[in-house]
Amino acid sequence: DTAVSQTPKYLVTQMGNDKSIKCEQNLGHDTMYWYKQDSKKFLKIMFSYNNKELIINETVPNRFSPKSPDKAHLNLHINSLELGDSAVYFCASSKYRDRGLETQYFGPGTRLLVL
Amino acid sequence: SQQGEEDPQALSIQEGENATMNCSYKTSINNLQWYRQNSGRGLVHLILIRSNEREKHSGRLRVTLDTSKKSSSLLITASRAADTASYFCATDEAGGFKTIFGAGTRLFVKA
Repeated sequence: DTAVSQTPKYLVTQMGNDKSIKCEQNLGHDTMYWYKQDSKKFLKIMFSYNNKELIINETVPNRFSPKSPDKAHLNLHINSLELGDSAVYFCASSKYRDRGLETQYFGPGTRLLVL
Repeated sequence: SQQGEEDPQALSIQEGENATMNCSYKTSINNLQWYRQNSGRGLVHLILIRSNEREKHSGRLRVTLDTSKKSSSLLITASRAADTASYFCATDEAGGFKTIFGAGTRLFVKA
């Protein structure tokens, strides 16, 4: 069984479109994350939710809006896509957000290409 | 520059050799973790070392942590072609909520 799953795996779209990426975890974790990995492989945290509550909201354009309908799901909606949004987006989850003691489990990534 | 910077950026070795990767960070931390990322895949957790630990082993992996130098190293012994991947260190800032990843070391093990 897949622990952290993301859909779609690949997303090719035109500039200006709105798209969503979905993430689900079946690990019973309380905390979920969205990361962006750029072409140089640098991984940067975007958002984190703990028990459906937003706890990390990094400096990302407000075109990006996360939504957590329940503990097992964290979706990412992107409005007015730009060329610079092309990247791989990873969802992750962890057991708890006790400071400093968390192993994160990553999904397979969504490869977004904006044309 | 970023918390959790890895060194070297890329490493190419022969199968059977040992691979050593280093990570430096800037602030006080609660723990430091190492992750592996195979090409086109998500990150996989390898090992976590707490700020009060100095060394940890897991199979062919050995991690050290020197909080006075704000650095960590990951040693992979008797490397295999299957170890070819990118390796990232990640730190949790003390008093913070973020896990910060470095840019990674790309390891290539030649068969």
